[in-house]
Amino acid sequence: GENVEQHPSTLSVQEGDSAVIKCTYSDSASNYFPWYKQELGKRPQLIIDIRSNVGEKKDQRIAVTLNKTAKHFSLHITETQPEDSAVYFCAATGSDDKLIFGTGTRLQVFP
Amino acid sequence: GAGVSQSPSNKVTEKGKDVELRCDPISGHTALYWYRQSLGQGLEFLIYFQGNSAPDKSGLPSDRFSAERTGGSVSTLTIQRTQQEDSAVYLCASSLRLRQETQYFGPGTRLLVL
Repeated sequence: GENVEQHPSTLSVQEGDSAVIKCTYSDSASNYFPWYKQELGKRPQLIIDIRSNVGEKKDQRIAVTLNKTAKHFSLHITETQPEDSAVYFCAATGSDDKLIFGTGTRLQVFP
Repeated sequence: GAGVSQSPSNKVTEKGKDVELRCDPISGHTALYWYRQSLGQGLEFLIYFQGNSAPDKSGLPSDRFSAERTGGSVSTLTIQRTQQEDSAVYLCASSLRLRQETQYFGPGTRLLVL
């Protein structure tokens, strides 16, 4: 089955800096890669997703890139703000249709 | 519109007791998922349901865990003879269909086994 690894586990940045979170996956048949944000004590919420027929997708300050050959995808947050502080999870849908999550990255943005 | 709801929001039980956790998915969503999130950890897949198909139970950690989905809507996750290591937040999510769809999460049930 699918295995997703996520790095780093924690990330601290100064407000205004960029943050990058990286994930790798094992199932070459995976074709859907969402990113979820989970604020403390709240439910995970989708912030952006990318499908295998696209290499990059942007939504304002957030972008995701996908390299299918290397089987890795990354989340980029530019001009970080304190409200970006949360745990971010990447995920991948394998050939068995299950969404497998990474272990999460705790992002702290210091004002 | 109404999102995914779960009840109870918190449950404290004694070791060895059975518990039932409920999930109400978004109306019209055919796929429903259960996850477990231990403190400070990621999301562990437990089980999913898609329409009337047999559920994928491959993530259930032991035979003490079971789930059902009645009428293609509400789902109940049952944990029998609870153990302290079962303490976690149990999250339910639903999506319109199974493949490549946004999953919408409920607020979770925080289970504490004493």
